[in-house]
Amino acid sequence: DIQMTQSPSSLSASVGDRVTITCRASQSMSSYLNWYQQKPGKAPKLLIYAASRLQSGVPSRFSGSGSGTDFTLSISSLQPEDFATYYCQQSYITPYTFGQGTNLEI
Amino acid sequence: QVQLVQSGAEVKKPGSSVKVSCKASGGTFSTYAISWVRQAAGQGLEWMGGIIPVFGTANYTQKFQGRVTITADEFTNTAYMELSSLRSEDTAVYFCSRDGANGRIDSWGQGTLVTVSS
Repeated sequence: DIQMTQSPSSLSASVGDRVTITCRASQSMSSYLNWYQQKPGKAPKLLIYAASRLQSGVPSRFSGSGSGTDFTLSISSLQPEDFATYYCQQSYITPYTFGQGTNLEI
Repeated sequence: QVQLVQSGAEVKKPGSSVKVSCKASGGTFSTYAISWVRQAAGQGLEWMGGIIPVFGTANYTQKFQGRVTITADEFTNTAYMELSSLRSEDTAVYFCSRDGANGRIDSWGQGTLVTVSS
């Protein structure tokens, strides 16, 4: 199985900050990397797919980059509604493993 | 976009089985993969397995192999996840999801809480 390692596991930031979350895969997987946002009690929401493509309806302050084994999710100017947990997921090969999550808090 | 509606919360005894349903509406069902993802309280997301309804063959992560069965009914646009030999560690919210192109999950069910307790 491909292991996904996210860092940091938690992150404190303020409204207006720029933040970056990284995700590293245990083997190369081209650009089959997706990012999700999850708020308490809710299902995850797709933000970025194929490493850098913005899902329809997602604000442009979210962006993704990377290929191979190293990927990043950036939020350019944090808004109050962005405080949540973020997960990366590889969809290169089943089982489609997730990172352990990054809790973004104020 | 497809809407996924799951069955309600369940309370089960250790050693028993649970079957959760996931009904799709408003989009294509048969040719996209339906995956099941679980999340224990305060924990991360865990992909359990998936199925493409038109093909009917599921694949599972090794951790659940032998205990989980994922099926799909094309006529009712409903997918099912059955987990057997339940133990307390299986207490979690179980999500069904639809995999779009390249495996990205673009639709999620609302989640079903399964509680395993004696």
